[in-house]
Amino acid sequence: DAGVIQSPRHEVTEMGQEVTLRCKPISGHNSLFWYRQTMMRGLELLIYFNNNVPIDDSGMPEDRFSAKMPNASFSTLKIQPSEPRDSAVYFCATQLSGAYNEQFFGPGTRLTVL
Amino acid sequence: QQPVQSPQAVILREGEDAVINCSSSKALYSVHWYRQKHGEAPVFLMILLKGGEQKGHEKISASFNEKKQQSSLYLTASQLSYSGTYFCGPQGGSEKLVFGKGTKLTVNP
Repeated sequence: DAGVIQSPRHEVTEMGQEVTLRCKPISGHNSLFWYRQTMMRGLELLIYFNNNVPIDDSGMPEDRFSAKMPNASFSTLKIQPSEPRDSAVYFCATQLSGAYNEQFFGPGTRLTVL
Repeated sequence: QQPVQSPQAVILREGEDAVINCSSSKALYSVHWYRQKHGEAPVFLMILLKGGEQKGHEKISASFNEKKQQSSLYLTASQLSYSGTYFCGPQGGSEKLVFGKGTKLTVNP
């Protein structure tokens, strides 16, 4: 299996621009998680989906952030408009539902907002 | 709600042992442990479930005290490849993990 695929791997943009991060889960995994990692705040859960349905979005920082999962093989995290404080590494992780199953992380997208 | 990990950092020589602790303020169903090397994504190490079930790496052991809401990761006879940041992620019954700030482990020759 190819593992979790994220794109782009690096994104540099200017403040105010729209940013879209993409994730392709491991085939058969029906839970998908978006995390943000910074030195100050560590690894934070932004939102997670189960069977394409958002279950918990309490970690989404504000309305500028939105996430979708239109089907079982694709998810997006959008930031509009972007701000310098959004600079971070964004990870997508997927899991086969169940408490006994581990999460598999994608390689991450390093976002820099100038 | 973020679990507390201790120590924040530890430096070892190859072959030495280390214990990393994770403490939560909430009732736990399970605890996940992950390791992240610099510039890479976190990688799964262990899951410990309420009731005693475990799943994970053969060379790493861990414990889970449900009553105290604590978990510990035991790294014995450390190798250079053990270097990285270790995160615990307690679960309270849903699939949501709330990760601690991590423990940075450095193993020197």
